[in-house]
Amino acid sequence: SQTIHQWPATLVQPVGSPLSLECTVEGTSNPNLYWYRQAAGRGLQLLFYSVGIGQISSEVPQNLSASRPQDRQFILSSKKLLLSDSGFYLCAWSGSANPYEQYFGPGTRLTVT
Amino acid sequence: DQQVKQNSPSLSVQEGRISILNCDYTNSMFDYFLWYKKYPAEGPTFLISISSIKDKNEDGRFTVFLNKSAKHLSLHIVPSQPGDSAVYFCAASLSWGKLQFGAGTQVVVTP
Repeated sequence: SQTIHQWPATLVQPVGSPLSLECTVEGTSNPNLYWYRQAAGRGLQLLFYSVGIGQISSEVPQNLSASRPQDRQFILSSKKLLLSDSGFYLCAWSGSANPYEQYFGPGTRLTVT
Repeated sequence: DQQVKQNSPSLSVQEGRISILNCDYTNSMFDYFLWYKKYPAEGPTFLISISSIKDKNEDGRFTVFLNKSAKHLSLHIVPSQPGDSAVYFCAASLSWGKLQFGAGTQVVVTP
């Protein structure tokens, strides 16, 4: 069966510091990968998606970037965090046959102080 | 621009009764709709989905109804159980699986 891992589970970082969140998927090959953010009291906002290694599409302009160095690895980064980057970050995957049904990881709670 | 809206932030229902969650959308081009369930500090889990060519899909205790003319989606949970207490998100896809989510509805199932 497929599993998705995210780490760390929680992170507290000062403003201006860099960020690296990692997501890996097991049990499937060539998945579509996604990064979402949930701000307090709001729904999930799609940040990035990827259909293959090195292929990244950004949905909203922001202080973040994403990379996919391996087929089942997706990384969310920032060079300098802003207070507004605080939130709950979720990685998700879907099969290329049915990209609609997405399966989420446990998430990372990021607090920028 | 919020194209998927869940206007009820919370819902309280008695155990054994029906829970009805509602979702409205504005873009008639959405072609696929989904419901997710989320517990605190966890990622959402996929519950049920429906294609825009259908008006009903059923899976066990969960049924999703789609009214395209009203641009309205609903999720029925029958019977409601304590483990159903969670936040429920509806989502809609415009293309290729790029989902837009509503803000969620907190469901509390009481004994």
